[in-house]
Amino acid sequence: EAQVTQNPRYLITVTGKKLTVTCSQNMNHEYMSWYRQDPGLGLRQIYYSMNVEVTDKGDVPEGYKVSRKEKRNFPLILESPSPNQTSLYFCASSLDRGIDGYTFGSGTRLTVV
Amino acid sequence: QKEVEQDPGPLSVPEGAIVSLNCTYSNSAFQYFMWYRQYSRKGPELLMYTYSSGNKEDGRFTAQVDKSSKYISLFIRDSQPSDSATYLCAMIYRSGYNKLIFGAGTRLAVHP
Repeated sequence: EAQVTQNPRYLITVTGKKLTVTCSQNMNHEYMSWYRQDPGLGLRQIYYSMNVEVTDKGDVPEGYKVSRKEKRNFPLILESPSPNQTSLYFCASSLDRGIDGYTFGSGTRLTVV
Repeated sequence: QKEVEQDPGPLSVPEGAIVSLNCTYSNSAFQYFMWYRQYSRKGPELLMYTYSSGNKEDGRFTAQVDKSSKYISLFIRDSQPSDSATYLCAMIYRSGYNKLIFGAGTRLAVHP
């Protein structure tokens, strides 16, 4: 089954403790992206990657890092999480930079206390 | 001002009603228009996409784009309780990597 898999689904952590949210897709998509979803603000792009070793900032990149060492994986790293990073996070992938639509993961609900 | 405006609702309708969901946008460079559906505790899934003004039908769903008014709509005919979800409009403009912008989403509840 074609899918984007994120882990973990739920995470509660403390301020300053480094964490990684993993994302993997099995569709051989070149384009991958991370979004956060907050009430009233919709989905906002954090980082995106157009291919292996090619990443760039989205609209809200502060406090986040990403890497793209393999085509299928695109982890999101929070080096020092803060409470304002409490949010619902989605990884997404696309064959043609979004024109054909994105496939989203099921989401990771992160709470930073 | 946000690039894409969408009324968050919630919108509550009886089963069988025709539902109209709308978004307005400010950037005339947007070229591709999409609607995503998001069920609770799930990621968004693509419902429809179009790149031209006019209507596009898919079963009970019709997507309408009016580029001159910078306005897009999604119509749902014969709405069902299973249509209860949040509907997100999304738009793409070419900026080297095709930047995708989402509306905030409209929550729809269809009650039996």
